[in-house]
Amino acid sequence: GQQLNQSPQSMFIQEGEDVSMNCTSSSIFNTWLWYKQDPGEGPVLLIALYKAGELTSNGRLTAQFGITRKDSFLNISASIPSDVGIYFCAGPFILTGGGNKLTFGTGTQLKVEL
Amino acid sequence: EAQVTQNPRYLITVTGKKLTVTCSQNMNHEYMSWYRQDPGLGLRQIYYSMNVEVTDKGDVPEGYKVSRKEKRNFPLILESPSPNQTSLYFCASRFSVSYNEQFFGPGTRLTVL
Repeated sequence: GQQLNQSPQSMFIQEGEDVSMNCTSSSIFNTWLWYKQDPGEGPVLLIALYKAGELTSNGRLTAQFGITRKDSFLNISASIPSDVGIYFCAGPFILTGGGNKLTFGTGTQLKVEL
Repeated sequence: EAQVTQNPRYLITVTGKKLTVTCSQNMNHEYMSWYRQDPGLGLRQIYYSMNVEVTDKGDVPEGYKVSRKEKRNFPLILESPSPNQTSLYFCASRFSVSYNEQFFGPGTRLTVL
């Protein structure tokens, strides 16, 4: 099946640092989604982007829909210990029969050192 | 509270013993799906359902069955589990197949001995 290329695979940062991660696709998307998965839990939707160039914030998180519509970026400012988890990007591949299939990146594991 | 629920959260079983993992959503969503998550492989779709009585295979359907007799429930059935089905399973739902925002259940960690 299709997958999105997400990088970096993992990050180990100091508390207070800013974090950046990105996701790229071989196909053009009309939506980009960013999820966070806490250890032992299901992914939770953080931010949804619907327009190329769009910049959307959710607290300390900011995500951008790339101008080419083939990439997206997630930034976390001033990281704190509870930011630990796996961050996934997701985008819809259009199905020939109508509708779309949501496909996920391989995830970025974030670890925060106190 | 709008949510997707799964049961059980943890299950240890033996090879060949049929099991069912239940999934329910209270958001009146048409589209539901099952994923498995394995280290290094990300989230892979097992089966999905676009509406009641409409189900279809995802990327890794072998060894699994599903049913969608009512809108809110989408159980995952393993008729004869094998050790390679040891994984973390997530049920998810969204309003429709054309709507992109998807919500996940808390997960079921399955171990097949």
